[in-house]
Amino acid sequence: GQQVMQIPQYQHVQEGEDFTTYCNSSTTLSNIQWYKQRPGGHPVFLIQLVKSGEVKKQKRLTFQFGEAKKNSSLHITATQTTDVGTYFCAGPKSGNNRKLIWGLGTSLAVNP
Amino acid sequence: NAGVTQTPKFRILKIGQSMTLQCTQDMNHNYMYWYRQDPGMGLKLIYYSVGAGITDKGEVPNGYNVSRSTTEDFPLRLELAAPSQTSVYFCASSYAGTGGGSPLHFGNGTRLTVT
Repeated sequence: GQQVMQIPQYQHVQEGEDFTTYCNSSTTLSNIQWYKQRPGGHPVFLIQLVKSGEVKKQKRLTFQFGEAKKNSSLHITATQTTDVGTYFCAGPKSGNNRKLIWGLGTSLAVNP
Repeated sequence: NAGVTQTPKFRILKIGQSMTLQCTQDMNHNYMYWYRQDPGMGLKLIYYSVGAGITDKGEVPNGYNVSRSTTEDFPLRLELAAPSQTSVYFCASSYAGTGGGSPLHFGNGTRLTVT
């Protein structure tokens, strides 16, 4: 079945280091969404990418959507302790755009 | 603007007991969803609704029931609690279908333990 895979599963970085998480879909996606979940919290929508090759920035966060619309990445420049959490990507299920297929997330730990 | 409100925040059930997880949203969203999240895992869709009176199954509907009598409310019912239902439950809403790019707004979650 349709799958969305994220790597790495976990990442520990020193504060100030960069961080990247990758999202790979088994099918072409019409769009991809990214969410952040702080420990003990709920997922919070970060951004949506729609166009092939799209790049969007939110302060230190850079999101990319691949040319084939099957992969995406989130890059954080100069991580801070406030970046701690799990980052999820999700894309619409083929044939049923009411459902999202979620990756398992990348958990980021930042050492101060 | 409260967004999506879930109650209770925590609950401990004994095996075989029943309970209803409440979810209400004040954003006039048509779409509402119930997800469960097991430790270290992603989100699994239990049920969803595209409007009042319309519900449909997600990936893991067994052991759960839902209803959608109003736009605002989408309660999740556990009839005979089992240890496998120990999880964190999130209710979410969106203006339109997520495939159309409408983002999900999540509630704070209900942490349920079945012993």
